[in-house]
Amino acid sequence: DAGITQSPRHKVTETGTPVTLRCHQTENHRYMYWYRQDPGHGLRLIHYSYGVKDTDKGEVSDGYSVSRSKTEDFLLTLESATSSQTSVYFCAISDGFREAEETQYFGPGTRLLVL
Amino acid sequence: SQQGEEDPQALSIQEGENATMNCSYKTSINNLQWYRQNSGRGLVHLILIRSNEREKHSGRLRVTLDTSKKSSSLLITASRAADTASYFCATDDNYGQNFVFGPGTRLSVLP
Repeated sequence: DAGITQSPRHKVTETGTPVTLRCHQTENHRYMYWYRQDPGHGLRLIHYSYGVKDTDKGEVSDGYSVSRSKTEDFLLTLESATSSQTSVYFCAISDGFREAEETQYFGPGTRLLVL
Repeated sequence: SQQGEEDPQALSIQEGENATMNCSYKTSINNLQWYRQNSGRGLVHLILIRSNEREKHSGRLRVTLDTSKKSSSLLITASRAADTASYFCATDDNYGQNFVFGPGTRLSVLP
C-alpha cells in the first residue's frame, strides 16, 4: 500500500466522544487526503493537506478537523462523533507539481462505528 | 460539484469474457482516472487519461475518453476471477486540484 498506514484499523465508539484517526506515510509525498466511503456515494473528500500546516476543506468537512504537523502524519479528528460519521475512512497521498494529474495512493482504511 | 457516475452499478460475467464499464461526468475535465478496489482494501490506481487523449492501454485494460459526450469507458479483456472488484472513475474538480469519485461499478467475474 505504497508506505501508507492508518491507525486504528477498526474502532467502535459512542456518540459524543472525540475520535482521532491517524495516517502515516513513509513516501515523503506532499499531498495527503482524508476520504470517507459510504455505500452509494463512492469516496468523498473530507479534508486535504498540501504541506505541513497547510490544509483545506473538502466536500464533506463539517464535523471534522485535521492537523498536519509533520510531513509524514495527517490526523483526522471527529470532535464529537455522531452516528452519521459511521463509515470507512481512507487516507491517500500524492506528489507532483499538478495535484490532479498525479496518482493517489491509498491506505488500507479505518472502519469506524459510532453507536 | 461535478461527479463521475459509473454504469452499470453491478456487472457479473464469466471468466474469459470482456467487461465494459462506463463513466459519465458533468463538466469539462483535465483528466480522468480509473481505480480498482478489492473488498476491504484501499483503492489502487489503474490508469489516467488526459482530456486531449482518446484512448489508452495498459495490459488488459483499455480506456477511452469522449469529451464531446463527457464519458469514458473501461474495458477489461479476457477477465479473470482476480478482476472481481469495484471500479471507480475519478475526475478532477472544477479547480483542477482534487478528485471527485463516482459511486463505482461492482464487477464479479465467475470462474
